[in-house]
Amino acid sequence: LAKTTQPISMDSYEGQEVNITCSHNNIATNDYITWYQQFPSQGPRFIIQGYKTKVTNEVASLFIPADRKSSTLSLPRVSLSDTAVYYCLATFSGNTPLVFGKGTRLSVIA
Amino acid sequence: DAEITQSPRHKITETGRQVTLACHQTWNHNNMFWYRQDLGHGLRLIHYSYGVQDTNKGEVSDGYSVSRSNTEDLPLTLESAASSQTSVYFCASRGTATDTQYFGPGTRLTVL
Repeated sequence: LAKTTQPISMDSYEGQEVNITCSHNNIATNDYITWYQQFPSQGPRFIIQGYKTKVTNEVASLFIPADRKSSTLSLPRVSLSDTAVYYCLATFSGNTPLVFGKGTRLSVIA
Repeated sequence: DAEITQSPRHKITETGRQVTLACHQTWNHNNMFWYRQDLGHGLRLIHYSYGVQDTNKGEVSDGYSVSRSNTEDLPLTLESAASSQTSVYFCASRGTATDTQYFGPGTRLTVL
């Protein structure tokens, strides 16, 4: 599975847009990029998944450039409730377990 | 609504005891997973199953076992609990390879 690298932590003020970049230089053709969010004392939950270009849902946007060596999770106008750990994963289209790194700890400040 | 549950939510046990953590899902998913989460290590895969009677070891499987006798349940057993197994344990399930993976609420286990 492709290894992903993301910042350990980020801080943001409420109302700002937050962009978390993930590097995945050796991503395979069959890999998708998937982001999970984890609040304290809860299990991770799926946010968004993409293969290339841009994907948007009610929670976030995911930008993946043509070379697919990196991707950016964009959270519009964050609130205090967006404080969480965000995990970037390269998920193989074959049936293999998800491998989580340490994620990015986002702290939203009032 | 379909869901994934874990029990107990909190457990305190003593070193050397056998402990079983339950995981039950009503999604009818074939794929089920157990992870542990410790400060500084993120989520680490313990065991997983792709279907009934199928079990596989993850990266931190020593001291743990699982069995899959039906689609809904994947219990995790600590054969002889050790203090190093104090952790938060998460069970997860998913349908196909690219489906969303759903996590349970977690079990906080303390081994004294």
